[in-house]
Amino acid sequence: EPEVTQTPSHQVTQMGQEVILRCVPISNHLYFYWYRQILGQKVEFLVSFYNNEISEKSEIFDDQFSVERPDGSNFTLKIRSTKLEDSAMYFCASRGSWQETQYFGPGTRLLVL
Amino acid sequence: AQSVTQLGSHVSVSEGALVLLRCNYSSSVPPYLFWYVQYPNQGLQLLLKYTSAATLVKGINGFEAEFKKSETSFHLTKPSAHMSDAAEYFCAVSDFSNDYKLSFGAGTTVTVRA
Repeated sequence: EPEVTQTPSHQVTQMGQEVILRCVPISNHLYFYWYRQILGQKVEFLVSFYNNEISEKSEIFDDQFSVERPDGSNFTLKIRSTKLEDSAMYFCASRGSWQETQYFGPGTRLLVL
Repeated sequence: AQSVTQLGSHVSVSEGALVLLRCNYSSSVPPYLFWYVQYPNQGLQLLLKYTSAATLVKGINGFEAEFKKSETSFHLTKPSAHMSDAAEYFCAVSDFSNDYKLSFGAGTTVTVRA
């Protein structure tokens, strides 16, 4: 069964460093999403992406964040200068056309020291 | 704007007992409703979804949920809890008007007592 994959599973970085979180969506899906879950809190929407453009973004998704689909398979989330409060689990999800269901990857746990 | 409220952050049940997790939603347009389960240190797995077809929805692992428009609810149930049901459960809502982005509830942690 097709699934969303994410790398790395864990990442530790120093405050102020750039990180790139990678996702490989399900191959025939065209809609992509990033969510995050701070420890002990609910899952929050960050951004949605379609046709090489951001469709919608939340207040969390400020200028420090960017997304890209650098090739036909990967979907990345970049945090330019990490802050302590960026420590969270980051989930990628994808959705097919005419479908309402998003399928989630296993997440990347980011720890900013 | 959409939102989800999950009543009860923690639920403890005995093995074999009924599991009932409550979810109420708010949406200005017809919603799509989902229950996801998260096992420790794992991602989000879809349990079941409501997409305007049958109001009683059956999912994986013996779970089901009933959409009640009049009560704006989508409660999750399982007749007989199993130890493997111990996890965190998230109710979520989306709709077509905002690219199907999901708004999640705060989650309910289920523990199962032997």
